[in-house]
Amino acid sequence: KQEVTQIPAALSVPEGENLVLNCSFTDSAIYNLQWFRQDPGKGLTSLLLIQSSQREQTSGRLNASLDKSSGRSTLYIAASQPGDSATYLCAVRRNNNDMRFGAGTRLTVKP
Amino acid sequence: GAGVSQTPSNKVTEKGKYVELRCDPISGHTALYWYRQSLGQGPEFLIYFQGTGAADDSGLPNDRFFAVRPEGSVSTLKIQRTERGDSAVYLCASSPGGRIGEKLFFGSGTQLSVL
Repeated sequence: KQEVTQIPAALSVPEGENLVLNCSFTDSAIYNLQWFRQDPGKGLTSLLLIQSSQREQTSGRLNASLDKSSGRSTLYIAASQPGDSATYLCAVRRNNNDMRFGAGTRLTVKP
Repeated sequence: GAGVSQTPSNKVTEKGKYVELRCDPISGHTALYWYRQSLGQGPEFLIYFQGTGAADDSGLPNDRFFAVRPEGSVSTLKIQRTERGDSAVYLCASSPGGRIGEKLFFGSGTQLSVL
């Protein structure tokens, strides 16, 4: 059974810092991995989608990497801002129906 | 519509009651998913529709849970004889064609509280 773990569970940093969020998964037979952002009381917003054949994806200040063989992904956030405060979830997809989420990392960026 | 719409945003009910949760996907999206998210956890898969049919309902926890999508657009998740353990956020997502490489677009969810 696919298990997805996110470390740390919570992270607090001062504004302007660069930071890394970690995601690990136990079964490397995945089609893609997706990073989401979730604000309190809201749904999930897709940030980056990495196909299994790709190593990384970038969007603005965000960069996500994927090492499928070791079962790891990282989300790098550059020059963090208070507006980045949210919960970040990673999810791995094996087929149309099987998308497994981690429990998330709750990020707080202090002004 | 512009995004996935879920109603109601909050639902409070008493143990043993019946509830219906509605999801209106992005127009034209053929794939629709229901997930359940408990506090402090990631979403867990419940059911997946491709068009009008439930392609996979293996995530439904028991026979008190049922979902329909009769016209291939709006979907309703139905919970009978609600229990306190059913309290969670119920999320709906849609994607254009249900292909594995597609992004899923999520609604804001329905917070269900069973007293």
